[in-house]
Amino acid sequence: GAGVSQSPSNKVTEKGKDVELRCDPISGHTALYWYRQSLGQGLEFLIYFQGNSAPDKSGLPSDRFSAERTGGSVSTLTIQRTQQEDSAVYLCASSLVGVTEAFFGQGTRLTVV
Amino acid sequence: AQSVTQLGSHVSVSEGALVLLRCNYSSSVPPYLFWYVQYPNQGLQLLLKYTTGATLVKGINGFEAEFKKSETSFHLTKPSAHMSDAAEYFCAVIRPGGTSYGKLTFGQGTILTVHP
Repeated sequence: GAGVSQSPSNKVTEKGKDVELRCDPISGHTALYWYRQSLGQGLEFLIYFQGNSAPDKSGLPSDRFSAERTGGSVSTLTIQRTQQEDSAVYLCASSLVGVTEAFFGQGTRLTVV
Repeated sequence: AQSVTQLGSHVSVSEGALVLLRCNYSSSVPPYLFWYVQYPNQGLQLLLKYTTGATLVKGINGFEAEFKKSETSFHLTKPSAHMSDAAEYFCAVIRPGGTSYGKLTFGQGTILTVHP
C-alpha cells in the first residue's frame, strides 16, 4: 500500500478482554516497529521485527503483551486481559533495513473501560 | 543508554515569528537525530533527520535543525511561523548499529501553538 495502515483506528474494550491490533506495513519494508503513546509516558518503544523474527522485545511492558508477524508483512499486537493502564494510542512504523527513516501509521486508539 | 530532553512542553508564537523548539540528547556515541511532527489524531511525520555530514539539515515545511555535538543539541527552527505549523513536535534519536537499527528514543514532545 501507499502507507502504513493500522486497524482498527479506535477500539473500546472492557477490562479483562483480549484485543488484537493490526498493522500493514509499506510493501517491501522488512523492519517493523510498535510504539505506544500515552499521557504521562510519552512515546515508548514496544517491539521490533526484522522479517518475521523479533530481535528486540525489550519494550513490551508485561507478559500480557505479545506480537507476531507473518509473511514478513502484516503484524498483530495482542493484549490479553486488558487493564485500564493499557489505554493509549498504539503506533506502528515500518522501514527498509539500512535506511533510518521510519514511516508511521495513524495509530489505534485503545480505550479500556 | 540514551535519552532525549525537549525543553518546554508548550511553546506559543505569533504568526510570522521565529519558531525555536529545543532538543538535547544524551548518548554514549553520536546518535542519529530526528524531528517528527504529529497533527491531531494522526501518526508521526518525519520533518528532518541528521545522520552524518553537514550539521545544518533542512526539512519539509521550511524547518531546519542544526546538530551541535559540543552542546549535545539538535534544536528545530523555522524563520516565520504559519498557522498550519500548530502541532506536537517530537525529537528522537537512534543509536547507530546494534540489532535494533531503527529503534527510536523520543523526547516528551513540545506542543506548538501559533496565534494570529
